[in-house]
Amino acid sequence: AQKITQTQPGMFVQEKEAVTLDCTYDTSDPSYGLFWYKQPSSGEMIFLIYQGSYDQQNATEGRYSLNFQKARKSANLVISASQLGDSAMYFCAMRELSSQGGSEKLVFGKGTKLTVNP
Amino acid sequence: DVKVTQSSRYLVKRTGEKVFLECVQDMDHENMFWYRQDPGLGLRLIYFSYDVKMKEKGDIPEGYSVSREKKERFSLILESASTNQTSMYLCASSSPGVVTQYFGPGTRLTVL
Repeated sequence: AQKITQTQPGMFVQEKEAVTLDCTYDTSDPSYGLFWYKQPSSGEMIFLIYQGSYDQQNATEGRYSLNFQKARKSANLVISASQLGDSAMYFCAMRELSSQGGSEKLVFGKGTKLTVNP
Repeated sequence: DVKVTQSSRYLVKRTGEKVFLECVQDMDHENMFWYRQDPGLGLRLIYFSYDVKMKEKGDIPEGYSVSREKKERFSLILESASTNQTSMYLCASSSPGVVTQYFGPGTRLTVL
């Protein structure tokens, strides 16, 4: 079963508007972390924002905010005032403990391709 | 600034060749990871290492091996490359005290 689900393969938004990228997750661990990464066409993965499972407040980083709804197991990314440079792939990821060595690893969703139109 | 470098941005190899993908990080991170990225599948973890000479299998280790002889370097080895290993390979590093993983620029490998 998928642990991270991103249901939107592609999204379109007009420049200067806000957009929400969906992410739902599945875990039985009470302690976990949720991440969003941006991957432009150049290929590098850029860390955007992090939410811990015990954090009371929704995480914000500039124009990025994470709408964390724990009971629904969702961690949607909201980008406000979209810019042309926001066009990229966006990946949601969850940190989980390895079953073997106890170290932590990330599980990624399949991604959402965001296109910002002028 | 954390820097993760990968030996090649683009690589073309022939079926059956032994392929080495190298990754180096300069932040003294304990953990290092190798992912492959394919369209529509996201990033999938191949192997990771949380210490020198230590390794753990990820979700898709078949056809790959790894080596970590020094803390800063993590190598991915394709013993006998096959066409279905044509993909983008991403290396990452992290440390227990650091929130995120830091990624290298990726190597786009084509196996003919």
